[in-house]
Amino acid sequence: KQEVTQIPAALSVPEGENLVLNCSFTDSAIYNLQWFRQDPGKGLTSLLLIQSSQREQTSGRLNASLDKSSGRSTLYIAASQPGDSATYLCAVDEGGSEKLVFGKGTKLTVNP
Amino acid sequence: GAGVSQSPSNKVTEKGKDVELRCDPISGHTALYWYRQSLGQGLEFLIYFQGNSAPDKSGLPSDRFSAERTGGSVSTLTIQRTQQEDSAVYLCASSLDLLQYFGPGTRLTVL
Repeated sequence: KQEVTQIPAALSVPEGENLVLNCSFTDSAIYNLQWFRQDPGKGLTSLLLIQSSQREQTSGRLNASLDKSSGRSTLYIAASQPGDSATYLCAVDEGGSEKLVFGKGTKLTVNP
Repeated sequence: GAGVSQSPSNKVTEKGKDVELRCDPISGHTALYWYRQSLGQGLEFLIYFQGNSAPDKSGLPSDRFSAERTGGSVSTLTIQRTQQEDSAVYLCASSLDLLQYFGPGTRLTVL
């Protein structure tokens, strides 16, 4: 059964810092990995999707990498801003199915 | 365009009552998912609909939970005889390909 772990559970940084969020998964037989953002009281917003044949994806100040063989992904946020404060969730498909298995998230606070 | 919508946004009910949660997916999306997010827990898959295929119900925690999707569009998640452990945020998502678009969720509180 696929399990997803995110470290750290919470992170507080001053504005302007570059930071890395970590995600690991137990079953490397995935088709894709996604990073989401969740704001309090709101649904999830997809940030980046990396297919298993890809190594990384970039969107603006965000860069996500995937090392499928070692079961790891990182989300790099450059020049963090207070508006980046949210919970970041990592998810992978389970056995190539449509079901996503989520980590518990990293709660990020960027202080002005 | 319009995103995924869910209603109600909040629902408070008494233990033992039945509840219905509604999801309106993005128009044209063939796949629809229900997830549950309990306090301190990650999102947990509940059920998945794809077109006219039989739904994948493997994530439903008990037979008190059921869902249907009428006309390939709107979906209703029903919880019968609610228990306090059913308290959670129930999230719906729809997709046309790999990307799942989530609604804002329904916060269910069972007293």
